[in-house]
Amino acid sequence: DSGVTQTPKHLITATGQRVTLRCSPRSGDLSVYWYQQSLDQGLQFLIQYYNGEERAKGNILERFSAQQFPDLHSELNLSSLELGDSALYFCASSADRGRDTIYFGEGSWLTVV
Amino acid sequence: GDSVTQMEGPVTLSEEAFLTINCTYTATGYPSLFWYVQYPGEGLQLLLKATKADDKGSNKGFEATYRKETTSFHLEKGSVQVSDSAVYFCALTPSGNTPLVFGKGTRLSVIA
Repeated sequence: DSGVTQTPKHLITATGQRVTLRCSPRSGDLSVYWYQQSLDQGLQFLIQYYNGEERAKGNILERFSAQQFPDLHSELNLSSLELGDSALYFCASSADRGRDTIYFGEGSWLTVV
Repeated sequence: GDSVTQMEGPVTLSEEAFLTINCTYTATGYPSLFWYVQYPGEGLQLLLKATKADDKGSNKGFEATYRKETTSFHLEKGSVQVSDSAVYFCALTPSGNTPLVFGKGTRLSVIA
């Protein structure tokens, strides 16, 4: 158990819909990261927050957004969903901004039908 | 930019065989290097890491040495088990605040 908690574990939704994925980082970790894992693209970094502020942005679509709340949990919002958004979404956390070891949650499986 | 290149899979080995999964990297500065493992149906788990040149990371019988001269971090295990069947990802944290950069992963299947 990495200490990173993600909910829901599985989600099935229709195209055009909006979903929210939730992540609780390890106790004491200030950085939260979101990654997307799909069969064709591998592991893609989406976005990073550090202590509530956006720190780095990767290949995140404009239809996607994220935030980190004062209690350090984070949410990833995916809107206007398309079939191609079906993937495993990982949240990860680390103590600092990126040099420390990054620990991953078990992921949220999103299926868009 | 910073990148990681892993050997293509899948790799199929018999139990007790020797394992090597090659990983090379391109990075500016002095990255930290990691191997993560993903067992079927599960998330990513940190397997081992090395933070500076010549460091050797080890865990569960797996080892990898940070070779700056060859920009490599090859994963090795002397005797694999069926339970080692998984996807292995090499990754680096570049200097500064940039998050992990992953290789494409190498699927390992160990047969009894």
